[in-house]
Amino acid sequence: AQTVTQSQPEMSVQEAETVTLSCTYDTSENNYYLFWYKQPPSRQMILVIRQEAYKQQNATENRFSVNFQKAAKSFSLKISDSQLGDTAMYFCAPRTGDKLIFGTGTRLQVFP
Amino acid sequence: EPEVTQTPSHQVTQMGQEVILRCVPISNHLYFYWYRQILGQKVEFLVSFYNNEISEKSEIFDDQFSVERPDGSNFTLKIRSTKLEDSAMYFCASSLGQVTYEQYFGPGTRLTVT
Repeated sequence: AQTVTQSQPEMSVQEAETVTLSCTYDTSENNYYLFWYKQPPSRQMILVIRQEAYKQQNATENRFSVNFQKAAKSFSLKISDSQLGDTAMYFCAPRTGDKLIFGTGTRLQVFP
Repeated sequence: EPEVTQTPSHQVTQMGQEVILRCVPISNHLYFYWYRQILGQKVEFLVSFYNNEISEKSEIFDDQFSVERPDGSNFTLKIRSTKLEDSAMYFCASSLGQVTYEQYFGPGTRLTVT
């Protein structure tokens, strides 16, 4: 069975600083996709960024980027120039086939 | 920008009652999903649906659950006889395709079983 580990239950960062959220996963698949989702207090699940496992280049989306290490099965999310609106739960979610497998999440608090 | 919508936003029901949660996926999407999130826990996959049939389901999705796409726009999750442990946030999601495509989530329905 696939497992996803987010070892940081809570993180905090000051506005404008950079923070990295870690994620490791276990899969026997060779071709898969990885996603980070954000869940603000409204509890809506919002897609942040995606990474194709077959691509060596790390995905970037504005202030969000990933560090994908396929051999290590590691998929961390870096948030640059943190903003107050980034305060949320962040979930790492690999996908094979139909379903996303979510980690337990990291609660990120951005302080002014 | 197109979005997934869900109704109601909050449903309160008594144990043993049937509930139907409704979702309107993004109009050109072909794959539909239900997930649930018990308060304070991680999001769990329930079921995926494509071409008017279930394509994958988890062990949570037992005989008490069913899904349906009754018309060209709605996608529903029915729980036949609710239990206290069914209390959770239920998220509908849709995607254009399978593995390579993002799943877009609705705002969720909070189900409270008393």
